Amino acid sequence: DIQMTQSPSSLSASVGDRVTITCRASQGISNYLAWFQQKPGKAPKSLIYAASSLQSGVPSKFSGSGSGTDFTLTISSLQPEDFATYYCQQYNSYPWTFGQGTKVEIK
Amino acid sequence: EVQLVESGGGLVQPGGSLRLSCAASGFTFSSYWMSWVRQAPGKGLEWVANIKQDGSEKYYVDSVKGRFTISRDNAKNSLYLQMNSLRAEDTAVYYCARVVGSSWYAEYFQHWGQGTLVTVSS
Repeated sequence: DIQMTQSPSSLSASVGDRVTITCRASQGISNYLAWFQQKPGKAPKSLIYAASSLQSGVPSKFSGSGSGTDFTLTISSLQPEDFATYYCQQYNSYPWTFGQGTKVEIK
Repeated sequence: EVQLVESGGGLVQPGGSLRLSCAASGFTFSSYWMSWVRQAPGKGLEWVANIKQDGSEKYYVDSVKGRFTISRDNAKNSLYLQMNSLRAEDTAVYYCARVVGSSWYAEYFQHWGQGTLVTVSS
């Protein structure tokens, strides 16, 4: 199975900050990587697919990059509604696997 | 508007069975791969199973193989998860999700339901 490791596990940031979350795959997954946002008690929301493509309706402050084993999610200017937990997920091969999550908290 | 509405969760004893349903609307259900994903209380997301548009291919995480069965009824725009031999570690919120893909393989999650809670406890 492909293991997905996110770093950091949590971070504190201020409104307006630029935030970067890293996701590393235990083996190459090309660009078969997605990112999700989840708020407490809510369903996940799909943000990015194919490592860097924005899902419809997702604001451009979110961006993704990477290929192979190393990926990043960047939020260009953190807003109050962006405080949440973010997950990466590989769909290169079964079983599909998620990172453990990165909780973005208010500083 | 795409809508996915799960139902069927509840409290069940270890070793028991439960059938989850997901009612889909707002899109051509038969054109999409579908998936179940779960989240144990306070934990991360775990992919459970995928099913192809016509139901001819199914994929499962190892921990549920032989116990869970994913199925669909395209005439009813519905996705199902039959869960047998339930264990305490199956306790989770179960989400159904629409998956973008081709006739050959599933790709990425696109839309999610609100989830239904399954609690396995005596």
